[in-house]
Amino acid sequence: GNSVTQMEGPVTLSEEAFLTINCTYTATGYPSLFWYVQYPGEGLQLLLKATKADDKGSNKGFEATYRKETTSFHLEKGSVQVSDSAVYFCALRDGAYGGATNKLIFGTGTLLAVQP
Amino acid sequence: ETGVTQSPTHLIKTRGQQVTLRCSSQSGHNTVSWYQQALGQGPQFIFQYYREEENGRGNFPPRFSGLQFPNYSSELNVNALELDDSALYLCASSSTMTGNLYGYTFGSGTRLTVV
Repeated sequence: GNSVTQMEGPVTLSEEAFLTINCTYTATGYPSLFWYVQYPGEGLQLLLKATKADDKGSNKGFEATYRKETTSFHLEKGSVQVSDSAVYFCALRDGAYGGATNKLIFGTGTLLAVQP
Repeated sequence: ETGVTQSPTHLIKTRGQQVTLRCSSQSGHNTVSWYQQALGQGPQFIFQYYREEENGRGNFPPRFSGLQFPNYSSELNVNALELDDSALYLCASSSTMTGNLYGYTFGSGTRLTVV
């Protein structure tokens, strides 16, 4: 079945460092891909998404490019801040359009800790 | 536009009891999904409701059941609670209307502890 694999954490960086969190997926067809962020004690917030190959999702300085040839959707940010400390989840949307099951399949999450 | 609200935020139950968790969808969303997030894990899909009917289910036993109401709000019911049911339960609403299919809005979750 479809699945998502992301790098294990925790990832500890100094402020202004470059961030990469790797994510690869296994899926039939062409799923939509997402990154969600979860701050301590909160639910999930959509960070960015991409719906087809070569699409680049971006938001708040974070970017990820849908790479079909390598089945990857790595998250990057050029300069992290302490406020970026959170758990990041890579996910794919599994299911057909329009009323059918559109479940999200998540990776296990990567904890990012940014130190001042 | 209101977001997704879940209640209660925290709950402690005893093994064998039953629990009901509630979710109010974001305005304009007609589909509700429930996820279970165990500590240190990614969320796992429980089921989805559309037009008040379950139209997709993950690998969860029948003691996990749900309802969706005409106003698109939803309930998750768990019977015969087990210790392993301790988790954060997340509700997500979305819309099958044109242009917003990919937008899932998550609530902050209900933290269930089974003792």
